[in-house]
Amino acid sequence: AQSVSQHNHHVILSEAASLELGCNYSYGGTVNLFWYVQYPGQHLQLLLKYFSGDPLVKGIKGFEAEFIKSKFSFNLRKPSVQWSDTAEYFCAVNVGPYNTNAGKSTFGDGTTLTVKP
Amino acid sequence: IAGITQAPTSQILAAGRRMTLRCTQDMRHNAMYWYRQDLGLGLRLIHYSNTAGTTGKGEVPDGYSVSRANTDDFPLTLASAVPSQTSVYFCASSVSGEASADTQYFGPGTRLTVL
Repeated sequence: AQSVSQHNHHVILSEAASLELGCNYSYGGTVNLFWYVQYPGQHLQLLLKYFSGDPLVKGIKGFEAEFIKSKFSFNLRKPSVQWSDTAEYFCAVNVGPYNTNAGKSTFGDGTTLTVKP
Repeated sequence: IAGITQAPTSQILAAGRRMTLRCTQDMRHNAMYWYRQDLGLGLRLIHYSNTAGTTGKGEVPDGYSVSRANTDDFPLTLASAVPSQTSVYFCASSVSGEASADTQYFGPGTRLTVL
């Protein structure tokens, strides 16, 4: 079975600092990768996803992530964080491309990001 | 468009009691999921349904049951609640349970405390 590992459980940054959150997965076949974000008091929502093509994907609010297949990684980045980026971030993997259980996601443990104003 | 609604928002329950968490979506998605979110453990899949009339077990199914009588509703039942089921429960849906590129859409969650 696939697994997802997020290396940082809690990250504290000052505004304008650069962000990189690590995500590694274990699965040797085709995968689709996601980053979800949960702002305080809100639903989880999609930040960005990779399913094919350019391994550098861009999401909402200036976030991007790069899929490096050789490293089984999908790290999330943002060049300059804002106080409003304070949230919990989850990396998730679906195995694919198309099978009975392809829609099921395996989530990492999450990383709590606190941005100090 | 509401997306996914869950009820109740929060609940305190005595151990041994039966409880059903409700989940309804209005997006006509085929697949639906129940997760529990626990500190340090992320989201873990409890049960899922790829389409109305079918269900499957996730990573942590013990003590929980689900049904999928129609496309819109996916209730989660705790037959006899135990304190270890204290958690935040999220319902989610996706267009298809068979396409791995599909995004999941989440409900607002139900915070359940079992005493």
